[in-house]
Amino acid sequence: QVTLKESGPVLVKPTQTLTLTCTVSGFSLSDTHMGVSWIRQPPGMALEWLAHIFSNDEKSYNASLKSRVTVSKDTSKSQVVLIMTNMDPVDTGTYYCARDIVVGPAIIPLDVWGKGTSVTVSS
Amino acid sequence: EIVMTQSPATLSVSPGERVTLSCRASQSVSSNLAWYQQKPGQAPRLLMYGASTRAVNIPARFSGSGSGTDFTLTINSLQSADIAVYYCRQYNDWPMSSFGQGTKLEIK
Repeated sequence: QVTLKESGPVLVKPTQTLTLTCTVSGFSLSDTHMGVSWIRQPPGMALEWLAHIFSNDEKSYNASLKSRVTVSKDTSKSQVVLIMTNMDPVDTGTYYCARDIVVGPAIIPLDVWGKGTSVTVSS
Repeated sequence: EIVMTQSPATLSVSPGERVTLSCRASQSVSSNLAWYQQKPGQAPRLLMYGASTRAVNIPARFSGSGSGTDFTLTINSLQSADIAVYYCRQYNDWPMSSFGQGTKLEIK
């Protein structure tokens, strides 16, 4: 069974750095056709894709957040880490990680999601 | 950046109805379009990808169509369990992508 689980602080202060961890099971981060994305959702608002890391360690970022976001992985720990700097109250929301699968020329995008972790940015 | 626009924002529906949700891209995304269902307090769930391919375990009453800039998600014989917010997402330049703002289904 494939699962993803997000973890990290519930509350961060403005200007601080947020570090979130996504722990996966049921697949390996070294599987050649697997990747993991981070997505966030402010309260009552739409989803926003943040970043992606592929099995070959190739990384992609949302252009509007690229200067603040870093994604990395530790395959031995089955973990993907998202770091977001200079946090602001507008960054408050639920942060999700989800899996992508590449099957030949086809992509199965975000087929399995974690339950999400809630982050509040407040002093 | 490709902007995804969903309509309507909210739709009041009755069980048993056929429901059609629309999603429009600001430029062509070919068939690189997915639909997700999100129930209150839950993570989104993949319904459809490649515009018209149902994800694993998705009932046949869900169908998707379209290519280029205009896409549709149809739910036949709506069930109360289908009440949720539905998001479209383009991934034409995968892994970069963008979501629509969502369509909320409500019970009439």
